[in-house]
Amino acid sequence: NAGVTQTPKFRVLKTGQSMTLLCAQDMNHEYMYWYRQDPGMGLRLIHYSVGEGTTAKGEVPDGYNVSRLKKQNFLLGLESAAPSQTSVYFCASSTWTGSSEAFFGQGTRLTVV
Amino acid sequence: KQEVTQIPAALSVPEGENLVLNCSFTDSAIYNLQWFRQDPGKGLTSLLLIQSSQREQTSGRLNASLDKSSGRSTLYIAASQPGDSATYLCAVRPGANNLFFGTGTRLTVIP
Repeated sequence: NAGVTQTPKFRVLKTGQSMTLLCAQDMNHEYMYWYRQDPGMGLRLIHYSVGEGTTAKGEVPDGYNVSRLKKQNFLLGLESAAPSQTSVYFCASSTWTGSSEAFFGQGTRLTVV
Repeated sequence: KQEVTQIPAALSVPEGENLVLNCSFTDSAIYNLQWFRQDPGKGLTSLLLIQSSQREQTSGRLNASLDKSSGRSTLYIAASQPGDSATYLCAVRPGANNLFFGTGTRLTVIP
């Protein structure tokens, strides 16, 4: 039972470098989300997708881009990493109804130096 | 904007004690509320999901209640164990596009 899988689990970047975080789900869910978790602030939504080929901005989208070329995958990109993007990133998925349960990945701990 | 508050931020209890964690939210127009557990350095594990039409849900030693009109939910843990030590998060869902999270309650159960 894989559920939601994130890669990588840890990463250290230098300021200005780029990287892509991969999220994969095997539950055939329509909705996928990227959150960041910072101390004292809870989880905040970066971007989300309501289906293959569609993406939308969340609460804190600046500095990030996303793509959903396949239904099971949701990619989060940082084009030019900044220290303010040091955080733990979580991917989640759910079915299309508002009453459905959200499932989360194990997280990616990113440090930008 | 939906605001979710969890009180207390941290709680220490002796093993065997029953305890209650609190979650409050500002906008009662929600589809559901979900309680999660997060261990240090780990992901979020879903514990209980309560639909807006429900009053409570139970799973083993856990019982979650929801009073949508007053914007409150509680997570009751019976006969606490050291293995229950973790951070507990609640999240409300106003629609399919987002979940709004509280900052969590860090629980320590002392053997």
